[in-house]
Amino acid sequence: ETGVTQSPTHLIKTRGQQVTLRCSSQSGHNTVSWYQQALGQGPQFIFQYYREEENGRGNFPPRFSGLQFPNYSSELNVNALELDDSALYLCASNPMGGGTDTQYFGPGTRLTVL
Amino acid sequence: QQQVKQSPQSLIVQKGGISIINCAYENTAFDYFPWYQQFPGKGPALLIAIRPDVSEKKEGRFTISFNKSAKQFSLHIMDSQPGDSATYFCASTYTGNQFYFGTGTSLTVIP
Repeated sequence: ETGVTQSPTHLIKTRGQQVTLRCSSQSGHNTVSWYQQALGQGPQFIFQYYREEENGRGNFPPRFSGLQFPNYSSELNVNALELDDSALYLCASNPMGGGTDTQYFGPGTRLTVL
Repeated sequence: QQQVKQSPQSLIVQKGGISIINCAYENTAFDYFPWYQQFPGKGPALLIAIRPDVSEKKEGRFTISFNKSAKQFSLHIMDSQPGDSATYFCASTYTGNQFYFGTGTSLTVIP
């Protein structure tokens, strides 16, 4: 186990709705990254947060936003859901500055948009 | 532009055989190359990782071979077991940056 938890496990939404996904990182891991993994594909980087500030963003539109909290938890918010947003959403944490680049992934949230 | 290219897409190996998965990367600034194993319905789990200052790293039945000049690295699974059946992803990154993942290799080990 990586010590990274995500909720909910599964979620079904309809097109146009908004969704919030949650992640709890390991204690001491001040960096969290979010990834989207479409079926049969590798994870695609959405953005990274370091010390509660966005620290890099992939090729995703602004309707994908995030928050990181001091207690090592974070959120991914997606507005105006589209059918193509259906995917497994993964968060990964790592102790930036700890001499390692290893990212520890949570089990993911499976989002289905109808 | 795809930063990391992975092959093959799928692989079937007999129990006890060697499984080999290959990756090639574009960015010479990359300095960390992990392999992740993912079972259905689960998040990726770190299997083994290498930095470019060594050409090979072995952990149990898993070995990474790294060729810096060719910008390629590979995962070798020795004595493959049915429990190794999973999807494997290579990734590349440099310190503090995002991870770029390959498209994955579905490995099936036949008893």
